[in-house]
Parts: sequence; structure tokens; C-alpha cells
Amino acid sequence: GAVVSQHPSWVICKSGTSVKIECRSLDFQATTMFWYRQFPKQSLMLMATSNEGSKATYEQGVEKDKFLINHASLTLSTLTVTSAHPEDSSFYICSARGTPPNYGYTFGSGTRLTVV
Amino acid sequence: AQSVTQLDSQVPVFEEAPVELRCNYSSSVSVYLFWYVQYPNQGLQLLLKYLSGSTLVKGINGFEAEFNKSQTSFHLRKPSVHISDTAEYFCAVSELYSSASKIIFGSGTRLSIRP
Repeated sequence: GAVVSQHPSWVICKSGTSVKIECRSLDFQATTMFWYRQFPKQSLMLMATSNEGSKATYEQGVEKDKFLINHASLTLSTLTVTSAHPEDSSFYICSARGTPPNYGYTFGSGTRLTVV
Repeated sequence: AQSVTQLDSQVPVFEEAPVELRCNYSSSVSVYLFWYVQYPNQGLQLLLKYLSGSTLVKGINGFEAEFNKSQTSFHLRKPSVHISDTAEYFCAVSELYSSASKIIFGSGTRLSIRP
């Protein structure tokens, strides 16, 4: 079945530094990937939609200059949290969307970011 | 636009008892429906999905769900739960496939199994 690999699974960084999270679709091509943020005991909040070869589409309230998304190939999307601050600490999850007839959304295992 | 309502934030159940997690959706167009499970500090795993065809959908780990268009519901059921089913469960809806379609999640239901 469809597999999405997300790395790293956890990262601790100092305030003011940048962190890159990778999301790869291992056995299928994903023209569209999604990035979510999840706070403890809450649902997933969509941050942005990443389209291969074009600019990402950000949800309202998400700072595009802070959360840089690059979708350089059909199997790789990256999220870079720039100038991270403690309030950026969260669980980030990516998802890749398949195409019919195997339509569905496959999720990565998530990245726990802690900014100290 | 679509929306999803999970009516119960927490559902405590005794082991080997049946369980139903409720989900209602709202949409002006036809949709696809999904149930995902999330274990602590992990991503989401697909339990089952309804795209078309039979309204009774069987998924992994003994779960099943029934799509009821008239009641706009997609409740998740399992006849006998196990301790290992303790997790967070998310119902989700997506409009039919297009380049712009995306998935919208409910607020989640925490299923806790008591021995």
C-alpha cells in the first residue's frame, strides 16, 4: 500500500534557528501533499497545501514566510520552520494524496518539534 | 464547504464490549468519508474509507462503518474491543477528487478501553 515517510520523527532546536522536515511518498507519486499542525489533544489543523512545481497554498492565519514549503519533486515535500520560537513547538504531520482509483490520503508518522 | 462533527470527545468502554463512534458530516456536494486512528506520538493510520458502492465499509482491526446519506452520518463500529484499540479516532471528509480537493477532520474521539 501507499507509504509516506516523514523525517525526522523528533527534533529539538534552539530558539532562532531553522528546522527542516521532509515528507516523502515512497511508492507512489504525489502531486499534492499537505502539512498539518497538531496541538496536544486536538485535531489536525491544515497549514498548507503543497503542489509539485508550484507555490504552496497557505491556510488563513499561517505565516508563509515562517513556514516555508518546497515541493521540488513528485515524491518529496519539505517544511522549513524558520527562526523557530518556543510557540512553534508542536507535532507536524504531512500527508500525500493519491489519485483515482486509489484515491486517499496517506499520512507520515509525524515530527515532534521542541524549540528551547 | 464541508464540515465534520464527532459528537463524543471521549468514549470509555470495557474490554470485549461493542463500541460505536459517531460522526456526522455536512456538505453541499458528494463526498468521500474516512476514519483514521492515531496512537500517541504517531501519525494517522487509515482504518477505512467510503468512496462509492456498498454503504457498509469494512476496515482493518475489525472495524466497520456505515455510510448513511439521508442522515449524513458515517458511524464507526466494532463488535468487541481490545485494549490495543485505545487511541484517538478521527472522522474526515473530502470532496470528490479534483486538483483542489483536501481532507477536513473532525475534532476526534478518544477511545479508552477498560479491562
